[in-house]
Amino acid sequence: AQSVTQLDSQVPVFEEAPVELRCNYSSSVSVYLFWYVQYPNQGLQLLLKYLSGSTLVKGINGFEAEFNKSQTSFHLRKPSVHISDTAEYFCAVSQGAQKLVFGQGTRLTINP
Amino acid sequence: KAGVTQTPRYLIKTRGQQVTLSCSPISGHRSVSWYQQTPGQGLQFLFEYFSETQRNKGNFPGRFSGRQFSNSRSEMNVSTLELGDSALYLCASSLLAGSSYEQYFGPGTRLTVT
Repeated sequence: AQSVTQLDSQVPVFEEAPVELRCNYSSSVSVYLFWYVQYPNQGLQLLLKYLSGSTLVKGINGFEAEFNKSQTSFHLRKPSVHISDTAEYFCAVSQGAQKLVFGQGTRLTINP
Repeated sequence: KAGVTQTPRYLIKTRGQQVTLSCSPISGHRSVSWYQQTPGQGLQFLFEYFSETQRNKGNFPGRFSGRQFSNSRSEMNVSTLELGDSALYLCASSLLAGSSYEQYFGPGTRLTVT
């Protein structure tokens, strides 16, 4: 069975600093990878996804992620964060027609 | 284009009761998935419906059921509620079935069981 590990449950950073949220998955076959963001009292919004092709994926709000097959990782990065990026971030993996499997989430807190 | 809508947004029920939650997908979307979100278990897949047929089911007891109508609207039902069913229930719609298609999430229904 697939699984996703988000290595940090909470990440505090200062405004305008860079951030990396780490995600590792377990699968021996080709997978699709996703990052979602959840703002308070809202549903999830897709930030970016990797289906195939270039391993560097650019998403919305200045976020990007790099797929590393050998390390089974899909870390999310942003060069300069803003207060408005405060939210919970979820990494997810799936195979083809199968369901999404989510990580436990990383709470990103931006301090002024 | 209107997003995914879920009703009601908040619900309080008593243990042993049953509840029905509703989800209206984005117009033109034919696939609807349901997820349960709790602080302890995180986001867990409940089931997926496409063209009124359940395509996928997660590891939940039979008390959790769902259906999809011909207009793609979906309902999920939980019978004999337990305290542990308190959660945020999220619905997501996508154009077609299969996780390569982007899922658009609704705001969720927060269910509290007392």
